[in-house]
Amino acid sequence: AQKVTQAQTEISVVEKEDVTLDCVYETRDTTYYLFWYKQPPSGELVFLIRRNSFDEQNEISGRYSWNFQKSTSSFNFTITASQVVDSAVYFCALKNDQKLVFGQGTRLTINP
Amino acid sequence: DTGVSQNPRHKITKRGQNVTFRCDPISEHNRLYWYRQTLGQGPEFLTYFQNEAQLEKSRLLSDRFSAERPKGSFSTLEIQRTEQGDSAMYLCASSPDIWTGSGNTIYFGEGSWLTVV
Repeated sequence: AQKVTQAQTEISVVEKEDVTLDCVYETRDTTYYLFWYKQPPSGELVFLIRRNSFDEQNEISGRYSWNFQKSTSSFNFTITASQVVDSAVYFCALKNDQKLVFGQGTRLTINP
Repeated sequence: DTGVSQNPRHKITKRGQNVTFRCDPISEHNRLYWYRQTLGQGPEFLTYFQNEAQLEKSRLLSDRFSAERPKGSFSTLEIQRTEQGDSAMYLCASSPDIWTGSGNTIYFGEGSWLTVV
């Protein structure tokens, strides 16, 4: 069975702080894809990043960075110098075949 | 607009009534998905189409639920004899062929909120 665990239900920080959202996954497959999505109050799931299981390079995009570690089955997401607009629910997801399996999400609140 | 479009965005219905949601995927995306999300939870897979063929259905999709994609473009999700437990957000998503550069990325719409009273 495949499973994604986001242990942090809610995180609240002050603007400009760095924050890391944890994601741990379980799968028996050797080929899979990992994703992060952002869900603002409007409800739409906004795609942030996709990483395949053969590519363990970390990635940085502006203030966002992702740390994929296959040895610990983790795919953590860091926001540097957080801003109020980063407030949302963030979901980590695992894709194998055609289905996405989501974690329960982390509600991130950035306070001014 | 090139995103996934869903309507209606919000629907309030009485228990026992039927409701239908429509999804227009991103143009030329041949894969279309339906997910359901309840408050405080992550989305859960319901069903998936490759063009007009419905290839997989979750056990969450009871007999009261039916999804179609008649011409391989837009899709509808119908819920018959709604129950209060059906209250949720229904998310549609699409993706291109798997052999394209972004074929494994699934793009979501804004969702359709259903409240059954």
